[in-house]
Amino acid sequence: GEDVEQSLFLSVREGDSSVINCTYTDSSSTYLYWYKQEPGAGLQLLTYIFSNMDMKQDQRLTVLLNKKDKHLSLRIADTQTGDSAIYFCAEFNTGGFKTIFGAGTRLFVKA
Amino acid sequence: ETGVTQSPTHLIKTRGQQVTLRCSSQSGHNTVSWYQQALGQGPQFIFQYYREEENGRGNFPPRFSGLQFPNYSSELNVNALELDDSALYLCASSLPVEQETQYFGPGTRLLVL
Repeated sequence: GEDVEQSLFLSVREGDSSVINCTYTDSSSTYLYWYKQEPGAGLQLLTYIFSNMDMKQDQRLTVLLNKKDKHLSLRIADTQTGDSAIYFCAEFNTGGFKTIFGAGTRLFVKA
Repeated sequence: ETGVTQSPTHLIKTRGQQVTLRCSSQSGHNTVSWYQQALGQGPQFIFQYYREEENGRGNFPPRFSGLQFPNYSSELNVNALELDDSALYLCASSLPVEQETQYFGPGTRLLVL
């Protein structure tokens, strides 16, 4: 079946790097996403990676994909207090019509 | 700002009532998906509409229904509300040729008492 799992909580110090991990089960996933949600707000698409890629870098964000192990990670360099939020991993299969989300990782950045 | 708007922002209903939530898609986007996000959970797919027809559905009962209008705005209707329907309801619009890129609205927070 389709399932996306993430660790629930991560705490880092300001200026350190954050690494948020995710595993998924659908081997036919075409796109994998990272969304950010701040309190009381909707979802903000941070970045996504196509399944035939291993890595994608976008400013402070680095996404690594291990398709063999169905493992996705998001690294945030020089983490700031404004990065405190919930981060959702999600997968999409172009053969289907829906995006499957994990339960979210709550990132807490200590000043 | 994604260009996707939802109304109302907050809503309180009682068990057994009916509710209608509205979404205005980003200009030119004729595909809209609705998600339910319970507290502390990730969004769960409810259904998707494309050209005013339901295009796919998640594991939600028939009392969850939708409409999409020619101007691509849409509605989510929930009948016979239950306490567990309390959640943030998100809509997301996309282009049919770019379904992998969804633009989410800010959501409607529904509380059922």
